[in-house]
Amino acid sequence: GENVEQHPSTLSVQEGDSAVIKCTYSDSASNYFPWYKQELGKGPQLIIDIRSNVGEKKDQRIAVTLNKTAKHFSLHITETQPEDSAVYFCAVFDMNSGYSTLTFGKGTMLLVSP
Amino acid sequence: DAMVIQNPRYQVTQFGKPVTLSCSQTLNHNVMYWYQQKSSQAPKLLFHYYDKDFNNEADTPDNFQSRRPNTSFCFLDIRSPGLGDAAMYLCATSRDRVQPQHFGDGTRLSIL
Repeated sequence: GENVEQHPSTLSVQEGDSAVIKCTYSDSASNYFPWYKQELGKGPQLIIDIRSNVGEKKDQRIAVTLNKTAKHFSLHITETQPEDSAVYFCAVFDMNSGYSTLTFGKGTMLLVSP
Repeated sequence: DAMVIQNPRYQVTQFGKPVTLSCSQTLNHNVMYWYQQKSSQAPKLLFHYYDKDFNNEADTPDNFQSRRPNTSFCFLDIRSPGLGDAAMYLCATSRDRVQPQHFGDGTRLSIL
């Protein structure tokens, strides 16, 4: 089955700095890579996703990059703000499988200090 | 706003006493999922419905069952909760299996 490694487990930055979270996966058939943000006491919220035919995608301060050859993808948050503090999960999915489910990384707790 | 709604947000039950958690959606999505999330862990898929087709994960305990009476509602039944079943239970939906999943805010289950 698919194996997803996510690093770091905890990341502390100062407000205004950039934050980078990295994930690697094992199944080369995986072709959809969402990122979720989970605030305390809430469910995961989809913040950005990327499909395998694209190398990079941006949405304001958030970007995701994908290297299919190396089987890794990263979340980049620029100009971090205290409200970015949360747990971030990467996930992978095989869109071509008729019965595929999301495989999550273990999560990264991002702490943004004012 | 269209959304995934879980009730209740907090549920307390006694060891061995059956409990039901509910999820409703206004997105008219075909697929509904139930996840279990324990403290500081990633969500773990228990099962999902593709329309009325039920799909159970291989390692989901028999103690957990689900019902989907119509497109909008899905229920998680825990027949005899044990202390190890204390967790956050998340419901999610997607338009199809290969579409993004949208999560509710979960029900936190405590076992006394």
